[in-house]
This record gives sequence, structure tokens and C-alpha cells, in this order.
Amino acid sequence: GAGVSQSPSNKVTEKGKDVELRCDPISGHTALYWYRQSLGQGLEFLIYFQGNSAPDKSGLPSDRFSAERTGGSVSTLTIQRTQQEDSAVYLCASTGRASNTGELFFGEGSRLTVL
Amino acid sequence: DAKTTQPNSMESNEEEPVHLPCNHSTISGTDYIHWYRQLPSQGPEYVIHGLTSNVNNRMASLAIAEDRKSSTLILHRATLRDAAVYYCILRSTAGGTSYGKLTFGQGTILTVHP
Repeated sequence: GAGVSQSPSNKVTEKGKDVELRCDPISGHTALYWYRQSLGQGLEFLIYFQGNSAPDKSGLPSDRFSAERTGGSVSTLTIQRTQQEDSAVYLCASTGRASNTGELFFGEGSRLTVL
Repeated sequence: DAKTTQPNSMESNEEEPVHLPCNHSTISGTDYIHWYRQLPSQGPEYVIHGLTSNVNNRMASLAIAEDRKSSTLILHRATLRDAAVYYCILRSTAGGTSYGKLTFGQGTILTVHP
């Protein structure tokens, strides 16, 4: 596609349920990032993929959070047993440039509300 | 990642220039200066980046101090569409080529008045 695509755009769930958020990066981009943004806050790094492996998952807040990437393309962020503090916008970004000067392209985000 | 400091908010009038400052006194020689902005209800978008020399692109200009401890993002003629949160970020290239993460701070909220 032309840009990073995320789904669903909005998700309302009940506390304790599991949710899956999907990110479809720009075709050919090898690096993929997940961030989350709570209301009125800055972006919090969660995890980054290089191909299908995750060299840096230091930002995952607890073992309820996991992510995978298959085929070097689509990534899924899974939150198990959701809590109200998980409510946030989850943003995905990708880049295809090997250099650290490469820009990240962000999706529109998935807004998660946990009741 | 080295830390950046930005004012919490700034205001401007439409069609006037805007200078958004960023301090990064602990910047290392391998750190690039990146700027992103986030419009309401959207993901961040890349604006500009630089290392030592001033940079210009279609969106903005980046002025980097000679000692690299500060930089300024310049919007030459602000429009209402430029109202956003602007993030100044340092991206390390230490250790050679790697993708690495961008660490976002709180940014500067820019308000543009008609």
C-alpha cells in the first residue's frame, strides 16, 4: 500500500479480554516499530522488529504484551487480559532505510479503550 | 539516547515565521537531529533532519548551532495546518548502521492563530 496501515482504527473492549492490533508496513520496509500514546502524552516505545526478529523489546510494559512479525511484513501486537491502563493509541511505524538518518513512516494508529 | 529539551508550547500568527527551539547539550558527535510533528488525531510525520549543517526542505528549515548543543526548526510562513506537536529527537548512529528506535519527548505544542 501507499502508507502504513493499521487495524482496527478503534477498539473498545472489556477489562480482562485479549486484543490483537495489526500493522501492515510499507512494502519493502524491513524495520517495524510499535509505540503507544496515552491521552495527552508523548510516544512510548514498545518494540522494534528487524525482519521477523525483535532486537529491542525493552519497551513492552509487562508480559501481557507480545508482538510478532511474519514474512518480514505484517505485525500483530497482542495484549492479554487487558487492563484500563492499557487504554491508549497504539502506533506502528516502518522504515526501509538502513541508515539512522532514515525517516519513520507512521500509521494512523489503533485507539484502544478498555472499559 | 541523549536528552532534548523543548518549550511546552508556542503560539504564532498565520503567515508569520515560527522558530521552534530545541536544546540538546549532551549531544554526541554521532547523533543526528530529527524533527517530527504530530497533527491532531494523526500519527507523527517526519519534518527534517540534520547533522552539522543547516538544512532546508519543502516543509521547513533546520538551523543547527555551531557547537550542536541546540537547534531551531523554522517554519517560514505558518499556516493553520501547521498547528501540531513538534518533536525534536536525537538519533544515534554509534556502532555503525543500525535501525534503532526514536525516543520521543513531550514536544512543543504549536498553536497558530488566524
